[in-house]
Amino acid sequence: DTEVTQTPKHLVMGMTNKKSLKCEQHMGHRAMYWYKQKAKKPPELMFVYSYEKLSINESVPSRFSPECPNSSLLNLHLHALQPEDSALYLCASSQETGGLSGYTFGSGTRLTVV
Amino acid sequence: GQQLNQSPQSMFIQEGEDVSMNCTSSSIFNTWLWYKQDPGEGPVLLIALYKAGELTSNGRLTAQFGITRKDSFLNISASIPSDVGIYFCAGRGSGGSNYKLTFGKGTLLTVNP
Repeated sequence: DTEVTQTPKHLVMGMTNKKSLKCEQHMGHRAMYWYKQKAKKPPELMFVYSYEKLSINESVPSRFSPECPNSSLLNLHLHALQPEDSALYLCASSQETGGLSGYTFGSGTRLTVV
Repeated sequence: GQQLNQSPQSMFIQEGEDVSMNCTSSSIFNTWLWYKQDPGEGPVLLIALYKAGELTSNGRLTAQFGITRKDSFLNISASIPSDVGIYFCAGRGSGGSNYKLTFGKGTLLTVNP
């Protein structure tokens, strides 16, 4: 299995809702990432998990809460989002944070906040 | 912080033509990666470069890691309609920043059949 699987593919949520994005990989990668991507812009790093521990938070607002239940799973919990948070949310993984390998990206969750 | 300048921003070419795009950095990178992204999908890794001067091919794609470690280019030969998409370069530094990929702003490629 050489894929990163993200669910759901699309999500529409109200500003008072609570929802979660899920990411799964079975490549034995020990680093996992959340990126946010606006239309026609490059991905922007949000969080880095290394060996299931949060190692980097790129000053992301607390309405985004990541969680890594085990080495294969990464969640992003969403609460009280704003319309400007609408974007494509990408999960990625790599063998390790300092390793010489490319990052494998999932197909993303297209999030719309109404 | 580290910045990448990717050019051109967009290209409109005829099927069969060759394409070249490049990225330059204000600082040294240890790894250069080239990704392609189709609409509604995540970026897909095309080529990874790990050594200064390295020249690597993947089918019709060829990429090079610049000698100065501050630049990289991607060439696509004999373009076909399915080459359409956004191409991103990405670099990874060393030391405390080695976890982070810095992305270029992308090159939007359109291929006319």
